[in-house]
Amino acid sequence: GAGVSQTPSNKVTEKGKYVELRCDPISGHTALYWYRQSLGQGPEFLIYFQGTGAADDSGLPNDRFFAVRPEGSVSTLKIQRTERGDSAVYLCASSLGGHLYEAFFGQGTRLTVV
Amino acid sequence: AQSVTQPDIHITVSEGASLELRCNYSYGATPYLFWYVQSPGQGLQLLLKYFSGDTLVQGIKGFEAEFKRSQSSFNLRKPSVHWSDAAEYFCAVGEAGGSEKLVFGKGTKLTVNP
Repeated sequence: GAGVSQTPSNKVTEKGKYVELRCDPISGHTALYWYRQSLGQGPEFLIYFQGTGAADDSGLPNDRFFAVRPEGSVSTLKIQRTERGDSAVYLCASSLGGHLYEAFFGQGTRLTVV
Repeated sequence: AQSVTQPDIHITVSEGASLELRCNYSYGATPYLFWYVQSPGQGLQLLLKYFSGDTLVQGIKGFEAEFKRSQSSFNLRKPSVHWSDAAEYFCAVGEAGGSEKLVFGKGTKLTVNP
């Protein structure tokens, strides 16, 4: 596809379960970002990949959150032992390399923890 | 730490009227500044960005913004609003030469009356 694709678009899970959220960036984009947007808030930075490596993971809230990008394209955000406070829209963005280039955002995955 | 304040949570304007959305940032060094728009069901879209140079920047959809260092502001303007401009607008700040993360404001929701 032409844009950033995130799957699933919606995910409902029970408290304590494990979830994986997937992001397919635009082909050729080496930079990939994950943000989290809670209701009534702006996006909050989680992690930034340049290629396969996490160049900045300072936004991950705790060790229940982990993200990978093994081949430098698709990325997966993994959340263990989900809590109700993890409910939010998880946004993925990609760019040609850093924010000197325009970042294109996907439509997000709405995660609801019940 | 970087922070962004968007003082207006919700603004209502009439179609054809002018628009100014306020953004103030707190950052010690040279900031990179961005405005994004988020329409219902759509991903965040970049309207414009400021890195350096001319403090008045032009963006897409007829928007412009002016960087005022003395006021730590980066207000977004449009001379004549269209009904399709109804959306949520986010101001964001990045770090020149540093981390690739963006810090977003909480957003301003724009309603356009016919």
